Amino acid sequence: AQSVTQLGSHVSVSEGALVLLRCNYSSSVPPYLFWYVQYPNQGLQLLLKYTTGATLVKGINGFEAEFKKSETSFHLTKPSAHMSDAAEYFCALNTGGFKTIFGAGTRLFVKA
Amino acid sequence: NAGVTQTPKFRVLKTGQSMTLLCAQDMNHEYMYWYRQDPGMGLRLIHYSVGEGTTAKGEVPDGYNVSRLKKQNFLLGLESAAPSQTSVYFCASRWTSGRILQETQYFGPGTRLLVL
Repeated sequence: AQSVTQLGSHVSVSEGALVLLRCNYSSSVPPYLFWYVQYPNQGLQLLLKYTTGATLVKGINGFEAEFKKSETSFHLTKPSAHMSDAAEYFCALNTGGFKTIFGAGTRLFVKA
Repeated sequence: NAGVTQTPKFRVLKTGQSMTLLCAQDMNHEYMYWYRQDPGMGLRLIHYSVGEGTTAKGEVPDGYNVSRLKKQNFLLGLESAAPSQTSVYFCASRWTSGRILQETQYFGPGTRLLVL
């Protein structure tokens, strides 16, 4: 069975600090992996995705994620947090079929 | 190009009342989904559709019905609302390129439902 685990329901960083949001997955077949961001009172927007090829994926707003098969991880990072990054972030997995599995979400707080 | 839209944005129901949530997309996408989002549980799939006239159950379908009479619309119905259905409901769509289902989902802004 496939699953997605996000470590930490809440993460707090200072403005300008490194952002690290952790995601581990379980899949018996090669996965497609995603990070979506949800700003308050809005729907989810795609931040970045990994399908095949380069394991370091760059997304919008300076975010990137690295697919590590040996660690079954797809952690999201940003070198320097901005106040506008405060949002909820969802890691998600798809194996080519109709269904996408979402993690429980991590809410990012950015302190001034 | 409005993308995925949802109506209404917010609704309060009393237990036992019924309502229909409307999702519309103008991107000619084949696949459409209804999710509910609850704190600490991420998004859970209620029902989905792989094309006009088709629907299928997701992981939490009980208490909900859906219809996809037109390709661009996907309706979610609650026949007899219960407090456990208090949630935020999201619609999403995906497109196919040829016969290949593209992996990215496009989400609507959500409908907040409170059942008293």
